[in-house]
Amino acid sequence: DSGVTQTPKHLITATGQRVTLRCSPRSGDLSVYWYQQSLDQGLQFLIQYYNGEERAKGNILERFSAQQFPDLHSELNLSSLELGDSALYFCASTREGDNEQFFGPGTRLTVL
Amino acid sequence: GESVGLHLPTLSVQEGDNSIINCAYSNSASDYFIWYKQESGKGPQFIIDIRSNMDKRQGQRVTVLLNKTVKHLSLQIAATQPGDSAVYFCAEKASGTYKYIFGTGTRLKVLA
Repeated sequence: DSGVTQTPKHLITATGQRVTLRCSPRSGDLSVYWYQQSLDQGLQFLIQYYNGEERAKGNILERFSAQQFPDLHSELNLSSLELGDSALYFCASTREGDNEQFFGPGTRLTVL
Repeated sequence: GESVGLHLPTLSVQEGDNSIINCAYSNSASDYFIWYKQESGKGPQFIIDIRSNMDKRQGQRVTVLLNKTVKHLSLQIAATQPGDSAVYFCAEKASGTYKYIFGTGTRLKVLA
């Protein structure tokens, strides 16, 4: 158990819908990273937050957005969902000054 | 459930033999590298890391080798065990950035 929690574990929805994925980092970790893992690709970095502020942006679509709240949990919002958005979504957290990322168990999103 | 797709390169190794998993990285400015293990249905798990000022680092049963000249990273697993069966990813990060770039992964199968 990495100490990072993600909910829900599975999510099935339809095209055009909007979903919210939630991540709670390890206690004391200020940074949260979001990744997408599709069947035909490796882990793709989406976005990083540090203590509530966006710090780095990767290959995140405009239909996707994220935020980190004062209690440091983070949410990834995916809207106007397409079939190609079906994937595993992971979040990871790190401690200040530490490079090691601890990953959550992931949310499997299926868009029908 | 599966964690990654069907098109990963696969390395099959007899139990007890040594495994070598290779990774070519892309950015010559990358100065920090990590190997992750991802078991089916789980998030990636940190194995070992190395900074660019080193060319070798050893952990418990694992060794990472870094060749900056050809931008190549390898993970050696000694006395491979059935529990080592998983997908292995390398990741790179450049100094001054917060973005981790993951390789596509290699599936390790340990044969009894």
